[in-house]
Amino acid sequence: DGGITQSPKYLFRKEGQNVTLSCEQNLNHDAMYWYRQDPGQGLRLIYYSQIVNDFQKGDIAEGYSVSREKKESFPLTVTSAQKNPTAFYLCASRTSGGAYGTGELFFGEGSRLTVL
Amino acid sequence: EDQVTQSPEALRLQEGESSSLNCSYTVSGLRGLFWYRQDPGKGPEFLFTLYSAGEEKEKERLKATLTKKESFLHITAPKPEDSATYLCAVINTGKLIFGQGTTLQVKP
Repeated sequence: DGGITQSPKYLFRKEGQNVTLSCEQNLNHDAMYWYRQDPGQGLRLIYYSQIVNDFQKGDIAEGYSVSREKKESFPLTVTSAQKNPTAFYLCASRTSGGAYGTGELFFGEGSRLTVL
Repeated sequence: EDQVTQSPEALRLQEGESSSLNCSYTVSGLRGLFWYRQDPGKGPEFLFTLYSAGEEKEKERLKATLTKKESFLHITAPKPEDSATYLCAVINTGKLIFGQGTTLQVKP
């Protein structure tokens, strides 16, 4: 089935460690996104990529890094520089048409990161 | 400042009790409004896209409508399986903006 796969679903990290969240899609979508979701807040954009080997910072990029070496994959690294990394992370994709065209986003199932 | 506000934050209904969720927005150059459903611990599931004032879309017990300032998600005769958080998002000329969501609980 076509869709977006995020892994791991749950992840625990000690302070000072970097962790990488995986996002793979087989929808043949050009654009991919990473969002962070905290209780009582709307989704906030971390990074997005419109095409392979290109990505842009979103509203809260500090302490995060990404890569886009393949169309299907858009991993997110949460670095030790991120002050408050405990959150629910969502990966999404959409068809081409610019960073914010009119097409809807399709989301993965999310990854919950907890810093111990 | 572009903003999306959803109300109420939480809504409890009895099974069969119809109601509406509100998404009000202040954005320049609206290009589309989306509704999503999100179950606990899951990613949002796409429901509807609305592009212009007066547009309506339906899916089972849900009906979404759009005016120049707000959108409503009407839920007719809800069932317990409709319990979820409903997210609204708008696209303007340069950004996708999400509201905080309305958490709906439908009791049998």
